[in-house]
Formats: sequence, C-alpha cells, structure tokens
Amino acid sequence: DGGITQSPKYLFRKEGQNVTLSCEQNLNHDAMYWYRQDPGQGLRLIYYSQIVNDFQKGDIAEGYSVSREKKESFPLTVTSAQKNPTAFYLCASSIIDPNTEAFFGQGTRLTVV
Amino acid sequence: QQPVQSPQAVILREGEDAVINCSSSKALYSVHWYRQKHGEAPVFLMILLKGGEQKGHDKISASFNEKKQQSSLYLTASQLSYSGTYFCGTDGGTSYGKLTFGQGTILTVHP
Repeated sequence: DGGITQSPKYLFRKEGQNVTLSCEQNLNHDAMYWYRQDPGQGLRLIYYSQIVNDFQKGDIAEGYSVSREKKESFPLTVTSAQKNPTAFYLCASSIIDPNTEAFFGQGTRLTVV
Repeated sequence: QQPVQSPQAVILREGEDAVINCSSSKALYSVHWYRQKHGEAPVFLMILLKGGEQKGHDKISASFNEKKQQSSLYLTASQLSYSGTYFCGTDGGTSYGKLTFGQGTILTVHP
C-alpha cells in the first residue's frame, strides 16, 4: 500500500538534545512538507521541499533543520536552538500540481522534558 | 503567511448547517480543505481552483472567490461524524508549491 510513514509516534527527549523525526513516502511525490501543530495555532509550515537536495524555509524554520537526500525521505531535526519544541509534528507529501491534495502521515508527538 | 479562518469554533446540533470561512492576503492558485480528528492525520475533503468554482460531495460543499481571495466551506444537515477541526490550506502567491494552512475551526456536533 502506498502511503506516508512517520516514526516514532511518540518521542521523549531531554532539554538541550537534538532529535530527528523520520518521514518516508512511497507515493513517488516530489513535494514534501513538515508542519508543527500546537493548540489554537493550526498547522504551521516549518520546511518544504520540491526536489531532491533542495528545500525552503517555511514560516517557523528557526531551530529546525531538514535534508532531502532521497525523494522518499525528508527527516526533520529539532535542534537545541528550538525554544519550545514540545508539539505534534506532521509530515505531508504531494505532487506539485494545484489540483492535487496533500497526503499526511500520522504524526509524531514530541515531548521535551 | 497563514490564511485566516473564521469562526474559531462552532457548536451545532445534528441536522444544523454551518459555514467556515478562509481568507488570504495573497493571490491563490488553489484552496484545500481538510478535516482532522483529535490526534489523527488531517483527511482531505476537496480542492478548489481559481475561477470561482464550487465543488461538493454529499452534504459538504465549498466555494472559492479568487478576486476576494476567500473560500467558504458549507456543511449542511450536519452529522455527528462531521465533528473535528477543519483546516483550509492555500497554495499561491509567488510561492507555488508552498502549502500553508489556517489556524483551524473546531466544529462540534451534538445529538
């Protein structure tokens, strides 16, 4: 079955540690996205990528980094520079076409203690 | 910049109607609508392209006014299963391919 997989579902980290969230898709989509979700804030775009080895900052990129070495994979690293990293993180992918929907992973809930 | 949704929350009884609005400060290629249940991934509802086209399926429909850079989602004869948070996503301006979402509208349907 084609889809987009995020792992792990729950992640706990100590303050000051970097942590990497995984996102893999087998839909052959060119575009991939990372969103952060906090109560009342909706889905805020962190980074997005339309092609391998290229990515752009979204609206809240500070304290995060990404890579796109393979078309299928778009890992997100939450660095120690992110002041408030506890949140629900969603990865999505799509074809680059205005008439095509984005497909979302099931999300990773990150808690920093 | 995120599109702006209104209202922030809606409470309905089964069978009642609701309208959720989405507006953007940028010209848009398209507007997406998604529904999310708590702790789950957003689920796609529909896409509207510029041209004022109205789309719908079952009792959920939407319109897109390209000139006003606004879209509205119409839920008629609401069902309990309609409960959730509704997001509009916009893809446009000079950043084609950058899908940005609003802050969400929480819809609660009671029996």
